[in-house]
Amino acid sequence: DGGITQSPKYLFRKEGQNVTLSCEQNLNHDAMYWYRQDPGQGLRLIYYSQIVNDFQKGDIAEGYSVSREKKESFPLTVTSAQKNPTAFYLCASSRGQPNTEAFFGQGTRLTVV
Amino acid sequence: GENVEQHPSTLSVQEGDSAVIKCTYSDSASNYFPWYKQELGKGPQLIIDIRSNVGEKKDQRIAVTLNKTAKHFSLHITETQPEDSAVYFCAARGDIDSNYQLIWGAGTKLIIKP
Repeated sequence: DGGITQSPKYLFRKEGQNVTLSCEQNLNHDAMYWYRQDPGQGLRLIYYSQIVNDFQKGDIAEGYSVSREKKESFPLTVTSAQKNPTAFYLCASSRGQPNTEAFFGQGTRLTVV
Repeated sequence: GENVEQHPSTLSVQEGDSAVIKCTYSDSASNYFPWYKQELGKGPQLIIDIRSNVGEKKDQRIAVTLNKTAKHFSLHITETQPEDSAVYFCAARGDIDSNYQLIWGAGTKLIIKP
């Protein structure tokens, strides 16, 4: 089955530690995205990539980093510089053309302990 | 850049009644308007979308209407069922200046009362 997979589903991190969230897609999509979702709020764009080896900052990129070494993978690292990292993180992909559907993964819930 | 406002933030309707969620957008160049449904603990899923050359689109109990002049679009769910309970998000596709990114509304929590 084609789809987009995020792992792990739940993640706990100690303060001061970096942590990497995985996102893999087998839809052959060019574009991939990372969003952050806080309780009762909408989706805020962290980073996006429209092609391999290229990515752009979204609205809330501070404290996060990404890489796009392969078309199917777009990992997100939450660094210790992110002041309030506890949130639900969603990865998405699309064909990258203007009027096309975005497919989402099931999300990773990150909790800082 | 594009800005999308969504109302209401919470909507409670009796099972079997209709539900309407409204969104407004600011950029007249936007031409793609999807609606997503998010169930608890899951990622959003597309339920219906509309392009700016169409005024209305229907899929069984779900319909979306678009008024380009007023820059607003609405989601209509008829004969609501318990499984319709979820958070619904509208979005608008920005123009080339924003790399065609989706700009999201804040979401509406729909509660279907039995």
